[in-house]
Formats: sequence, structure tokens, C-alpha cells
Amino acid sequence: QSVLTQPPSVSGAPGQRVTISCTGSSSNIGAGYDVHWYQQLPGTAPKLLIYGNSNRPSGVPDRFSGSKSGTSASLAITGLQAEDEADYYCQSYDSSLSGLFGGGTKLTVL
Amino acid sequence: QVQLVQSGAEVKKPGASVKVSCKVSGYTLTELSMHWVRQAPGKGLEWMGGFDPEDGETIYAQKFQGRVTMTEDTSTDTAYMELSSLRSEDTAVYYCATSSSGYYHAWGQGTLVTVSS
Repeated sequence: QSVLTQPPSVSGAPGQRVTISCTGSSSNIGAGYDVHWYQQLPGTAPKLLIYGNSNRPSGVPDRFSGSKSGTSASLAITGLQAEDEADYYCQSYDSSLSGLFGGGTKLTVL
Repeated sequence: QVQLVQSGAEVKKPGASVKVSCKVSGYTLTELSMHWVRQAPGKGLEWMGGFDPEDGETIYAQKFQGRVTMTEDTSTDTAYMELSSLRSEDTAVYYCATSSSGYYHAWGQGTLVTVSS
């Protein structure tokens, strides 16, 4: 059971918008720690998608966006494409400086 | 551009230890904060520990305290993660990743460690 809670799966048709939530608590996200997001394609290492709640590394399409409010964060993907089918993980820290990952969300493009 | 290249797959018996290496290129190890993350088959990512540049200490996840040791050889820019008293539940892909402001911007390719009798 992960400290950061994500839905196990989400799905959407090509071109649609989907969101993935990441719910924490007052000892992690709510304590002011940033949330970061990773995309993991099958059989590959995770790739940084969003850092510092809402910033995109160079090369990440602006179809991907992140936000944070209170004890939760969200990843939004607009204009869904087949290549977006992957697992997505949120990540933050807690007050003991231990790294935390969400349980992961499998995105299926219908 | 930092690149991380990890050592190859390992098969170990229960009770044994494993040491995974992570070779850095593009930067020196002293410029980086190295962390280790593992992923059991079909499961999510699990943080194991990493270097905290604020106090110069390595922090380990409570779950692995006493069983894991993370070290660095700055002469070869290679980081190591050693896990002892292996059990079947430790079968996983182990990743090294560099941390910057709390996020992991570069990852190794992963090392599969299989624990089986």
C-alpha cells in the first residue's frame, strides 16, 4: 500500500483528455513537498515527465501538464495519443526525507 | 548530459548478498546525488535510499535499514548498492537514478536481480 494513492488505471480515446490523481497527506504533499511525475513504457526505465509540480523538462510535449493543491496533485494529458499508453507514477518526499512513489497508474488508449 | 550504465543481471540464492554498480558518465559522481529505486515484477516503484547533499549523509528507507549499503567510488565515478540477506521478495529490477531538487532526472537501464533457490 503506497503512501501516495493513485488510481490503478485510467483510459481514454485518442484525442481525449485524461487526468491522473495523486493523493497524499499533511506529512508529504500537504507539508509543501513538490510532486514529480514519471512515465514508464513497457520494459524501460522511468522517464521524468513533470518536475516541481508543473514544470516540463525539455522535450516533453506541452500536452502533459501537472498541478498541485493541498494534499493532492494531478497529471493531465490532452490530445491523447497511442504512444502515451504507459504506466505513470507520482513522486514526492515526507518529513523524514524519505522518497515516496505512488502505486502507479496504467493508462490505456482505447 | 548525464548517463548511467548499470551492471548486468544477477541470480542469487536466498540469504546471499548482491552488489549492483552504476557507472556515471557526462558528470562526476561528486556533482550528483545518487539514489536507488527498485521495481518488483508487475509492481510499482519503491525508493530504497539515496545521498542527501544537505547533510552529506546517505538516507535509507526504513524497510531496508540494516540490509542495504550504498557506496560510491569517486575515482571511477561508480555508485554501488549492496543488499544482503536476500529473499525471494527481493526479486526485482534495481535502478540507480540521479536526484536534483528532489526529482530523478536520469535513470540507469535497470539491473534484474533474481533470488531463487
